[in-house]
Amino acid sequence: EADIYQTPRYLVIGTGKKITLECSQTMGHDKMYWYQQDPGMELHLIHYSYGVNSTEKGDLSSESTVSRIRTEHFPLTLESARPSHTSQYLCATLRQGYDTQYFGPGTRLTVL
Amino acid sequence: GDSVTQMEGPVTLSEEAFLTINCTYTATGYPSLFWYVQYPGEGLQLLLKATKADDKGSNKGFEATYRKETTSFHLEKGSVQVSDSAVYFCALASGAGSYQLTFGKGTKLSVIP
Repeated sequence: EADIYQTPRYLVIGTGKKITLECSQTMGHDKMYWYQQDPGMELHLIHYSYGVNSTEKGDLSSESTVSRIRTEHFPLTLESARPSHTSQYLCATLRQGYDTQYFGPGTRLTVL
Repeated sequence: GDSVTQMEGPVTLSEEAFLTINCTYTATGYPSLFWYVQYPGEGLQLLLKATKADDKGSNKGFEATYRKETTSFHLEKGSVQVSDSAVYFCALASGAGSYQLTFGKGTKLSVIP
């Protein structure tokens, strides 16, 4: 079944730790996105990729980095987590030639 | 640039009440318009969409009509249920090779029995 997977779903870590949030998809879509959702619910695009070896920063400046070495995989890394990184992180995909994005279940990150 | 403005919440309704969440947009060209819903603890799900003027999107009893003359895409439901409690996002895709969505800030709906 075509789907979008995000792991872990919940993560509580201490300040200064390095973390990687995983996003993988079996949708067969070439475009992928990371959004940060603040406690007020607003969504901010932080990274996107239109294909393998292609990544761009989004509208909101983020200290995170991403990579896209496989079509189905788009991990997000924080080298040194801080309390200001506490948020929900949502991964999304889009099929070439279409305009509807599909979202994963999200990772809720808490940095103490 | 593109922008989406939706009514601020939270909105609290009794079960079986009528729901309207207003959404207006600014965009160049002919955008596609969307409503997404986010249930507690989950990601966003597409609720409905419309791709051209006067189109009506509908799903699960929700409806929205693409009104180009008023640049609006208001979400309506005739009789809400407790299970409709969620956050609703209006969004647009401006097309013409743009692969990004512009979102409103979200409206939280709570339906009480």
